[in-house]
Parts: sequence; structure tokens; C-alpha cells
Amino acid sequence: GQSLEQPSEVTAVEGAIVQINCTYQTSGFYGLSWYQQHDGGAPTFLSYNALDGLEETGRFSSFLSRSDSYGYLLLQELQMKDSASYFCAVKGDTGRRALTFGSGTRLQVQP
Amino acid sequence: DVKVTQSSRYLVKRTGEKVFLECVQDMDHENMFWYRQDPGLGLRLIYFSYDVKMKEKGDIPEGYSVSREKKERFSLILESASTNQTSMYLCASTPRDNNYGYTFGSGTRLTVV
Repeated sequence: GQSLEQPSEVTAVEGAIVQINCTYQTSGFYGLSWYQQHDGGAPTFLSYNALDGLEETGRFSSFLSRSDSYGYLLLQELQMKDSASYFCAVKGDTGRRALTFGSGTRLQVQP
Repeated sequence: DVKVTQSSRYLVKRTGEKVFLECVQDMDHENMFWYRQDPGLGLRLIYFSYDVKMKEKGDIPEGYSVSREKKERFSLILESASTNQTSMYLCASTPRDNNYGYTFGSGTRLTVV
């Protein structure tokens, strides 16, 4: 089976940097994805890491360490609009063609 | 703009009713998925389909079935709705070889009374 652990809530102030961690357990591993979901909205894809290291997309970066079964999403220069839930997801088992999602981290950005 | 469209945003049904949730995508994607989202539990996979008429069970298929007669449409069926199926239902799609970047619909919030 597969499981993912991420903090349930994180609070930060506008302009700051915040890191959302994700640890996973899978039998087989293809990559770690991150999604953002605003209240009442659809999850939207943010980033994907298949290899170790940092991937940067504007203010958002995502990191993966396969040896540690660990990744994080880094949000810089936080803005109020970044208040949302963030989900990590893995595709693990070779026989399963679908992502398994974590339970989500609710980020609250304060002025 | 590419889209995944779910037919209803809000739905209220009675216990025991047969319920159909429809999802249509206009991106010619091979893979389609149904998840349900509950507070504190994240997104849990119900069923997915990787081709027309093909389907595979996810983590919580009990009480649900699916239909994929055309590539663009993936239907979720609640055979006999129960109150514990009250939830947000999310449909998603992705091209055949894309295992990581799903496009989601806006969801259907189903309440079973």
C-alpha cells in the first residue's frame, strides 16, 4: 500500500517563506506531485519531482529526496492568495495507474 | 482552455436512490479518475479508467460503480445512496503517459438525506 504524511495546518505572514513537508511510504516510486486547492475550488497541479533535487517554478519550489522518502513544497514571498490547501501525491505501485494523495496541509497567510 | 466538467455542482438525494455523477473532458485524455474528498482524509480514489470500457477499482470502490462508454465521459454511479456517501466528488483526467499532473473538475457536493 501507500501512505503520505503532511502537517494538517501551517500559518505564516505575508512576504515570508513557508515549507510544507511530505513523507511517503510506497512499494515502488515514480514521483511526487504537489497540488493547490482554494476553498470551494478544484485542485490544481503545481509541480512534480521524479528525481532528487529542487525544482523551481516562480515563487514555488519543490524538493525530493528519494533515499529519505521525503519531499517539501517551498513557497516564497507569500501572498494572501496563497492561502489554500496543499496536497502531496505519489504514484507508487507499478500496477496502479493513479495517484495517492496525502490528507492536505491548510496554509493560512496572515497580513 | 482545457476543461473537465462535472454536470452538477450541488446535489441532494435520498437514501436508497440510484445516483449518477457525470464527468466530461474535452482534452482527448485516456485516463479518467473519480475521487472523493472528505475533511481530514484528503482525496481518496474510488475508480479510474485508462481507456474506453476499461476500469479499475481504487481504494474505496464499495457502493460505487463506473461507466466509460465514450472516451470523453466517465460516470460514477451510486447504486443505492447512503448517508455515508455524503461528500465532495472530484473527477480528473490526464493523458495516457502522464502519471502526475491531473486536471480536475470543480467537484460535485453530494448530500444524501
